Amino acid sequence: EMQLVESGGGLVQPGGSLRLSCAASEFTFRSYWMNWVRQAPGKGLEWLANINQDGSEKYYVDSVKGRFTISRDNAKNSLYLQMNSLRAEDTAVYYCARSPPAFDIWGQGSMVTVSS
Amino acid sequence: QSALTQPASVSGSPGQSITISCTGTSSDVGSSNYVSWYQQHPGKAPKLMLYQVSHRPSGVSNRFSGSKSGNTASLTVSGLQAEDEADYYCSSYTTTNTYFFGTGTKVTVL
Repeated sequence: EMQLVESGGGLVQPGGSLRLSCAASEFTFRSYWMNWVRQAPGKGLEWLANINQDGSEKYYVDSVKGRFTISRDNAKNSLYLQMNSLRAEDTAVYYCARSPPAFDIWGQGSMVTVSS
Repeated sequence: QSALTQPASVSGSPGQSITISCTGTSSDVGSSNYVSWYQQHPGKAPKLMLYQVSHRPSGVSNRFSGSKSGNTASLTVSGLQAEDEADYYCSSYTTTNTYFFGTGTKVTVL
């Protein structure tokens, strides 16, 4: 079964950093664009960033540009999200998702809480 | 940048049909065939229901259908069932190589 599994979430203080990981299995990871999407408690989905197959193209939503960095390691079938200068409003469940033409495989999500 | 606009809630009785709209701009929905719809039950990850406006992934019921006109896409659920009660989100690729999600619609089966 094709699967994505996120890890690395937790409690972090405002201004701190955290790195999320997403492990892919049972599909050819290096052939797909990959994305990060988040959902604040009780709120809707927000697309954050994506990266192309070889990591040479990356795009971000304005709200995280300059603070978050998406990357991947195709040898390890893994996607990453480095999050710096975290704010309370970054508190959310973070999902990785495969694309295109749509987000057809999602992980189970990793909770990030930014609080002092 | 802003989210696509969806109605906050839609309801219907079992067996009825409901339609959820998703309104964007000429920079996203209006210019993209990469419009997709997702179903999300509480505490669960979203599930892809339609891609490229009207295509159903394997395993998704044919009660779910989609269309697009101008800057507005629509999801129709026919023969409404109790299991369809969930949150629904649209998504569109944009002219700047990013994605937007819709604001989300809570579907209630009466």
